[in-house]
Amino acid sequence: QVHLVESGGGFLKPGGSLRLSCAASGFSFSEEYMSWIRLAPGKGPEWISYISGSGNTQVYSDSVRGRFTISRDNAKNLLYLQMDSLRAEDTAVYYCARDIRIYHFWGQGTLVTVSS
Amino acid sequence: EIVLTQSPATLSVSPGERATLSCRASQNLNNFLAWYQKKPGQAPRLLIYDASTRATGIPARFSGSGSGTEFTLTVSSVQSEDFAVYFCQQFHTWPPGNFGQGTKLEIK
Repeated sequence: QVHLVESGGGFLKPGGSLRLSCAASGFSFSEEYMSWIRLAPGKGPEWISYISGSGNTQVYSDSVRGRFTISRDNAKNLLYLQMDSLRAEDTAVYYCARDIRIYHFWGQGTLVTVSS
Repeated sequence: EIVLTQSPATLSVSPGERATLSCRASQNLNNFLAWYQKKPGQAPRLLIYDASTRATGIPARFSGSGSGTEFTLTVSSVQSEDFAVYFCQQFHTWPPGNFGQGTKLEIK
């Protein structure tokens, strides 16, 4: 059974940094692309990044490119999102999801609030 | 950029009634569209992909239809556990594979 658990969210001021983690289980982690998607209040979900199974390919949305970095540790079945230069508009619940294009499995999310 | 417009924003139905949710795309998606259900505090759940294919474990009362620019999610007989927000998502042009703004299905 696929299980994804995010952690690391919090409350911080604009310009701050945060690292989110996603612990994966129930599937062969190193063989699967993984994505980060966020859901801001009153908006639809927004895909922000994906990474290949090997970690060699990372792709970002225009809204986070240059500020966020996706990575993974296949030995520990962990996915990460390093978030730098945070802005108020980054406030959202952040989800990790298995796969790309169609998201069959999601975690429960972790809340990131950026406010002065 | 492809824009997805969901309607209505809120749909009020009584349990046992039929619910019909719409998703309109600004460009032809063929059938590259998915539907997700989101309940407060829970992970989003994939319901439908390729416009009409039910995901694993999804009850038969959920059905998807449409192609091109007009798509529909139908819940044939709404159950209490179906009251939630529903999002459509296109994956014809990906990334970003953007989502609609959502339709809230609420109890009448």
